[in-house]
Amino acid sequence: GEDVEQSLFLSVREGDSSVINCTYTDSSSTYLYWYKQEPGAGLQLLTYIFSNMDMKQDQRLTVLLNKKDKHLSLRIADTQTGDSAIYFCAERWRDSSYKLIFGSGTRLLVRP
Amino acid sequence: DSGVTQTPKHLITATGQRVTLRCSPRSGDLSVYWYQQSLDQGLQFLIQYYNGEERAKGNILERFSAQQFPDLHSELNLSSLELGDSALYFCASSVGGVETGELFFGEGSRLTVL
Repeated sequence: GEDVEQSLFLSVREGDSSVINCTYTDSSSTYLYWYKQEPGAGLQLLTYIFSNMDMKQDQRLTVLLNKKDKHLSLRIADTQTGDSAIYFCAERWRDSSYKLIFGSGTRLLVRP
Repeated sequence: DSGVTQTPKHLITATGQRVTLRCSPRSGDLSVYWYQQSLDQGLQFLIQYYNGEERAKGNILERFSAQQFPDLHSELNLSSLELGDSALYFCASSVGGVETGELFFGEGSRLTVL
């Protein structure tokens, strides 16, 4: 199937780390993505990871990939109130369309 | 600003009506994707066009259709509208082809069917 799964909600205190988890469907997916959606806006790419990598770090963002379990996570260090948004993981589908299959999104709420 | 432009931003219409949503991709992008975001079903892929031709079709209803024109802009036509069609419709574009696959999203068209 095409179901990418994420937990719906996460609440953290400002300054703490946030970890958002995702389970994807296709162990042969070449690229996996994290997108951020702020209220009233479209989706913005945060980062992506190629399937031959286990980890990718980009400033406050760390992506971990466990291909065996088809598990992807996004860690945000020193979470700020501006990080409050919906975070979507996505996998590139296996056909030639390169379409992305998105999870349902995790709403991150950062408390002051 | 992603470079993807969608119009209209908001649209309110009645059941049974027909609407057209428009998308202008980023300059140079050949692929256009349409997604539907509703509260209960998340972000669902509808259809993709590449350089004027349909490349992939997802969960798009028969009442919906789309096309991509020679200037690469795309339109999504929604007809015989039902209450359940109320959603945010996103267009995204990409270069298309073998690359990292990043999609650039417009800000969406919010459709409300009353």
